[in-house]
Amino acid sequence: TQLLEQSPQFLSIQEGENLTVYCNSSSVFSSLQWYRQEPGEGPVLLVTVVTGGEVKKLKRLTFQFGDARKDSSLHITAAQPGDTGLYLCAGADAGGTSYGKLTFGQGTILTVHP
Amino acid sequence: EAGVAQSPRYKIIEKRQSVAFWCNPISGHATLYWYQQILGQGPKLLIQFQNNGVVDDSQLPKDRFSAERLKGVDSTLKIQPAKLEDSAVYLCASSQGAGGYNEQFFGPGTRLTVL
Repeated sequence: TQLLEQSPQFLSIQEGENLTVYCNSSSVFSSLQWYRQEPGEGPVLLVTVVTGGEVKKLKRLTFQFGDARKDSSLHITAAQPGDTGLYLCAGADAGGTSYGKLTFGQGTILTVHP
Repeated sequence: EAGVAQSPRYKIIEKRQSVAFWCNPISGHATLYWYQQILGQGPKLLIQFQNNGVVDDSQLPKDRFSAERLKGVDSTLKIQPAKLEDSAVYLCASSQGAGGYNEQFFGPGTRLTVL
């Protein structure tokens, strides 16, 4: 069974601060996705990283996939109250017959105070 | 483009009762997923359909949970009988194809409370 450990579980910061969320596993993934979920809604995809060492930027968000494709990080610069939510990482199985099953981390609850 | 629709949004039942959830995926999406999200945890895949066939149900408690996808479109997830530990949000998602490179689009979920 593949497991994804996210840290920290909770993050409470002031507007304008920077933060990093980590997603770690002992398993190799074919790709890794980051989602954001707001209360009462389903997760929404932010980014998919595929290549080891890949870095993707989405405005103030920077995503990195580890060289060995076992870990990833999400860095937010100058956080805003609108960034508040649950951030989830999800790894896709590398196995050929797994149909790309996603394994989700337990999530990081981010609260950005004005 | 319409998103993934789910109903009901909320359901409260007593233990040992039965309950069913409905999902209408995005038009044209071949792959449909049901996830269980317990409070404070990430979603856990219960079952994955490719068109109307099951490709992964390894984490579905088959003694009480069942799911079907008729004609490869809508899907229903049933719990019979429900237990207290089934209290969770049940999320339906769809994607154009299977595989980790495909974006999964999630519905708003059904929040189930078992008393």
